[in-house]
Order: sequence, then structure tokens, then C-alpha cells
Amino acid sequence: ETGVTQTPRHLVMGMTNKKSLKCEQHLGHNAMYWYKQSAKKPLELMFVYNFKEQTENNSVPSRFSPECPNSSHLFLHLHTLQPEDSALYLCASSPDRYQPQHFGDGTRLSIL
Amino acid sequence: EDKVVQSPLSLVVHEGDTVTLNCSYEVTNFRSLLWYKQEKKAPTFLFMLTSSGIEKKSGRLSSILDKKELFSILNITATQTGDSAVYLCAVKSNFGNEKLTFGTGTRLTIIP
Repeated sequence: ETGVTQTPRHLVMGMTNKKSLKCEQHLGHNAMYWYKQSAKKPLELMFVYNFKEQTENNSVPSRFSPECPNSSHLFLHLHTLQPEDSALYLCASSPDRYQPQHFGDGTRLSIL
Repeated sequence: EDKVVQSPLSLVVHEGDTVTLNCSYEVTNFRSLLWYKQEKKAPTFLFMLTSSGIEKKSGRLSSILDKKELFSILNITATQTGDSAVYLCAVKSNFGNEKLTFGTGTRLTIIP
């Protein structure tokens, strides 16, 4: 139990579907992050939220849309994804932007 | 662009052996280097290093940073099968953003 919970654990969707990934942290942290982990590639930062404000968008295509309604919850809305978007999507949080990040178990996403 | 290179890419050793994992980096305005262990899902935090020459230790694991030569090592002594995992190295720059740049990891397998 890492204190960062992601749902669903697995998701299979078609290219025209719309779905959302959810992340919740019970650690009282103020910063939250979305990462993409593809096979044989380093973890890639996608988005950063600090005190609910987006502070980084790492050139992510608009078919990925983040939402942070409060410091404990983070969503990633998915629409019209491509097969190359199949990956493990990891959420992380940290007390502030200087402290180590704590990761959730991820959502394994497969695009058909 | 910040860069992290880990070596070896994979390593297989027998239980009881000692291993050394390497991480070299290029980063503009270095702030810190972090080590994570990733078994099946969530990367779990091991160490954060900010100063050269100061060893961080946790049980059988230890790590040290050399800011002059731009590398870090992670040592594991008396390895156990539970140490089998991918070990990730990441660096953070000091430009006030939250971006962690990760390496591709070293896959360590411990044979009983």
C-alpha cells in the first residue's frame, strides 16, 4: 500500500472511446503527477499539478486531458487514443516539488 | 536536454552476491538524484542524493553520488531473491520545475 491509489488497474479501449483514469492520494501531498511508462523506454513525465494548478505539460497530445479538482485527486481523460498510447500510466504525489515522489501501481492501458 | 544513462541494462547474479548498479547523468543545474525500485508495479523510493561523497545506507542497500564525475552507484550486498526488480535512477534539475528525468533502468535478477 503506497498511499497512492489508481483505478482502474487495467483498461482496454477502442480508438474512438472516451475513458478516464483516476488517481487518489491519502498522504496529504500538494503535488501530483502523471507519467507514461512504455516498454523499453524511460518513464516520461506528462503533467504536473502543484496545489491544484497545472505547472507542467510535457508536450503531451491533446487527446490526453488532465483534471485536478483538489489536492487529493487527479484524473486523466482519454479520447481518440492511438495504438502507440498503450502503456502503463503511473500517478505520483509528493509533499512539495522538491521531495521524493510516491507512485501508485498504475493503470495498464491497451488501445485496440 | 537532461539525460540519464544506467548500466548494465540487465544483470543476473546468484543469491548472496554483491552487485553495483551505475547511473550517469547530464543535467542543467543539478539538484538531486533519486533511486527507485520497481518490482511489478509502483516504483518505490530508495534514496535521494544531493551531496557528493556522502553515502546513504538502508540495510543492505547503499548509494553514493559523485557530482564531479556526474554519476551515482547503488550497491546491494548479500543479495536475496526479493531484490529482483528494475532499479530506476532519476535526476531533478534546479530550475524550479518538478520534472524528474528517468533512466531506462537496470533489471536485476537474483537466482536462488
